Amino acid sequence: GAVVSQHPSRVICKSGTSVKIECRSLDFQATTMFWYRQFPKQSLMLMATSNEGSKATYEQGVEKDKFLINHASLTLSTLTVTSAHPEDSSFYICSAEHPGTEDYSPLHFGNGTRLTVT
Amino acid sequence: GNSVTQMEGPVTLSEEAFLTINCTYTATGYPSLFWYVQYPGEGLQLLLKATKADDKGSNKGFEATYRKETTSFHLEKGSVQVSDSAVYFCALRGQGAQKLVFGQGTRLTINP
Repeated sequence: GAVVSQHPSRVICKSGTSVKIECRSLDFQATTMFWYRQFPKQSLMLMATSNEGSKATYEQGVEKDKFLINHASLTLSTLTVTSAHPEDSSFYICSAEHPGTEDYSPLHFGNGTRLTVT
Repeated sequence: GNSVTQMEGPVTLSEEAFLTINCTYTATGYPSLFWYVQYPGEGLQLLLKATKADDKGSNKGFEATYRKETTSFHLEKGSVQVSDSAVYFCALRGQGAQKLVFGQGTRLTINP
């Protein structure tokens, strides 16, 4: 079945540095990917919708200059957390939309990236 | 806007007990409804879905019926197992929309 691979699964970085998270669709082409953030014991908050070849659409309250999203190919979207701070520590999850799915629902999620900023 | 409300957790049950996790939604038109499961340290997996009123989604012994009259999509399982321990998310996708809207999640713990 379709698989979405997210890398790295865990990353620890120092405050002020930048971190890049990759999301790949392994056996299908994804024109649309979604980036979510999940705080401990809380639900998923949609951060942005990433469309291949165009600018990402950010949700209200999400800083686009801090969370840079690039969807340069049909199988790869990246999220870069720039100048990370401890409050950016969270679990980030991507989701890719399979264009062949009968109702185009984003059924495929990555396993998430645990970011810890020290 | 569209929203999803789940029963608050955590929920703790004994093995073989009956499970119900309530989910209600607010949306215009005819949304699609989903239940996702998240095991510790992992991403989300689709558990089941229903795309129109009165549809019943089912998988791995779990069921949920799309009730438009009560705007609900409650998750049920007749006999839970320890391996069902996870966080369960109810979600909807609005008619014609791309993104999913999630409920707050319900943590389920099954004791042997």
